[in-house]
Amino acid sequence: EPEVTQTPSHQVTQMGQEVILRCVPISNHLYFYWYRQILGQKVEFLVSFYNNEISEKSEIFDDQFSVERPDGSNFTLKIRSTKLEDSAMYFCASSWQRQETQYFGPGTRLLVL
Amino acid sequence: AQKVTQAQTEISVVEKEDVTLDCVYETRDTTYYLFWYKQPPSGELVFLIRRNSFDEQNEISGRYSWNFQKSTSSFNFTITASQVVDSAVYFCALSEADMDTGRRALTFGSGTRLQVQP
Repeated sequence: EPEVTQTPSHQVTQMGQEVILRCVPISNHLYFYWYRQILGQKVEFLVSFYNNEISEKSEIFDDQFSVERPDGSNFTLKIRSTKLEDSAMYFCASSWQRQETQYFGPGTRLLVL
Repeated sequence: AQKVTQAQTEISVVEKEDVTLDCVYETRDTTYYLFWYKQPPSGELVFLIRRNSFDEQNEISGRYSWNFQKSTSSFNFTITASQVVDSAVYFCALSEADMDTGRRALTFGSGTRLQVQP
């Protein structure tokens, strides 16, 4: 069964460093998403991406964040200058159409020291 | 604005008991989708079910069943004869379907941690 994959599974970084989280969505899906979950809290939407542009973003997704689809398979989330409060599990998701079910990857646990 | 409330933060049951997880939602859209996801201790989010707002028929899948009541804006999830493997955090989520104003991003509830004791 096709699935969303994410790398790395864990990342530890120093405050102020840039990180890039990578995702490979399900191959025939057209909509891509990033969510985050601070430890013990609810899952929060960051951004959605379709047709090579951002279609929706939350107030969390400020100028420190960017997304890119550098090739036909990868979808990346970049945090330019990490802060302690960026420590969280970051989930990538994809869906075939806008109204279809979003399937989630296993997540990348980011720890900012 | 849309909102999902899961008032039960934690439930503990003994194996073989039935358990119901509550979910109440708010949305201004007349067309929307409701979801349940399971997050086991390993951390991934596993899709369980999706319902659209026009389909109020209850659904059963093995030991899982869902009760959608539009009149009370609720979408409750029942596990029958619970098992230890059901121990997880369960999230209810909502997305709106209006093409112009609907927010397609999932809005999650805060989750209910279910602990099934052997």
